[in-house]
Amino acid sequence: GQQVMQIPQYQHVQEGEDFTTYCNSSTTLSNIQWYKQRPGGHPVFLIQLVKSGEVKKQKRLTFQFGEAKKNSSLHITATQTTDVGTYFCAGQSSGTYKYIFGTGTRLKVLA
Amino acid sequence: DADVTQTPRNRITKTGKRIMLECSQTKGHDRMYWYRQDPGLGLRLIYYSFDVKDINKGEISDGYSVSRQAQAKFSLSLESAIPNQTALYFCATRGTSGAGYNEQFFGPGTRLTVL
Repeated sequence: GQQVMQIPQYQHVQEGEDFTTYCNSSTTLSNIQWYKQRPGGHPVFLIQLVKSGEVKKQKRLTFQFGEAKKNSSLHITATQTTDVGTYFCAGQSSGTYKYIFGTGTRLKVLA
Repeated sequence: DADVTQTPRNRITKTGKRIMLECSQTKGHDRMYWYRQDPGLGLRLIYYSFDVKDINKGEISDGYSVSRQAQAKFSLSLESAIPNQTALYFCATRGTSGAGYNEQFFGPGTRLTVL
C-alpha cells in the first residue's frame, strides 16, 4: 500500500537558523498537504500543493511539490521559537479520497 | 465553541473493556475521519466516512469499529481494548466544496490508556 516517509524525525536548531523537512511517497500523489502540530495540540492545516513543481510561500515558510509528484519539502527561513512543533505531510493518491500522513518531523528551536 | 469536539479527552481503561470515543462537528462537513497517533509513527487512518451510509476502513481498522449516527457525529469503538491500543486518537472533518475544501479540521484529541 501507499507509504509516506518523512525525514528527519527530529531536528534541533538555534533560533535564526533555517530548517527543512522532506516527504517522500511510494506512489504518485494527486496532491499533498502540510500540517503543524504544536506540543500538546492537534494538527492544523498549513497548505495544499496540487501541481507538479509547485512552490508556495507563507511568510518564512516555503513549500515545494516535486516534478514527479512523489516528494515534497517544507523550508523555514530564520526559525523562531514559535515554529516549535511537529510538521506532517499528508499525501493523497490518485483515485482515492483518503490521505496518508508522513511520520512527522519534530522541530525544536533553541533560543 | 470548537468546531470539532471529542469526548472524553482522557480515558484510562482496562484490558478487555469496551470503550467508545465520540466526535461531533458543527462545520456541516460530510467527510469524517478517525486517526490514531503514536510517537514516531505519525497519524494513521483507522476509519473514514463520506456520509451517514458510507463507512470505509483505513490503514489500521482491526480491533476498531465505527458508527456514523448523523452527519455531525462519528463514534469510534474498541470492542475489547488491549494495551497496544494506548494512543492519542484524533477525529477530523473535511468539506467537499467551497474555498479550502480539502483542509482537514482536527478535534482536540482523546488520550486513551489501556492497562
